[in-house]
Amino acid sequence: GAGVSQSPSNKVTEKGKDVELRCDPISGHTALYWYRQSLGQGLEFLIYFQGNSAPDKSGLPSDRFSAERTGGSVSTLTIQRTQQEDSAVYLCASSLTQYEQYFGPGTRLTVT
Amino acid sequence: DQQVKQNSPSLSVQEGRISILNCDYTNSMFDYFLWYKKYPAEGPTFLISISSIKDKNEDGRFTVFLNKSAKHLSLHIVPSQPGDSAVYFCAAKRGAQKLVFGQGTRLTINP
Repeated sequence: GAGVSQSPSNKVTEKGKDVELRCDPISGHTALYWYRQSLGQGLEFLIYFQGNSAPDKSGLPSDRFSAERTGGSVSTLTIQRTQQEDSAVYLCASSLTQYEQYFGPGTRLTVT
Repeated sequence: DQQVKQNSPSLSVQEGRISILNCDYTNSMFDYFLWYKKYPAEGPTFLISISSIKDKNEDGRFTVFLNKSAKHLSLHIVPSQPGDSAVYFCAAKRGAQKLVFGQGTRLTINP
């Protein structure tokens, strides 16, 4: 079956511009997570959606970052006024149970 | 506050030998632990997991050991194969809370 997909796979943007990253989770998965991995770093949690509950936004690094999950499926991570330190691979994952998470291939964001 | 730590950023092992990847955690309330494997330009994929009620879980060439008193987790791969070369992340969770990941260890298997 189809796995988690993310688009675009690569994004180069100028400092100060806004970007939107998209995640299509596995159909039926109720939980959706966003992480980022900066060069040489581990997986940094950003935000977590579980069903219709209020999202856990505790990992968002600043108010320039926001995310939505429409209809309990597709999610969009928006970064406003991008900075060079936002350059990273942004990973999305979904899960059906509270255990395993299935990751997408990621979006590599480069802010010039 | 890094609750899950992988202190070795890299590890190099000869093909056929045992690879041992280590992970330490600080939160004694974690009750489920997972290992993920990540190839370049791909997302992490689930490898193996263990519940805190066990001290060992084996799946083919992969075995995870849990030492709760030491708050230490390890992944053994034997025999190591070239395709095992990847970045390995350990992760831990408590109940229904989100996973907490370590920084990752890059494993290189040399022919």
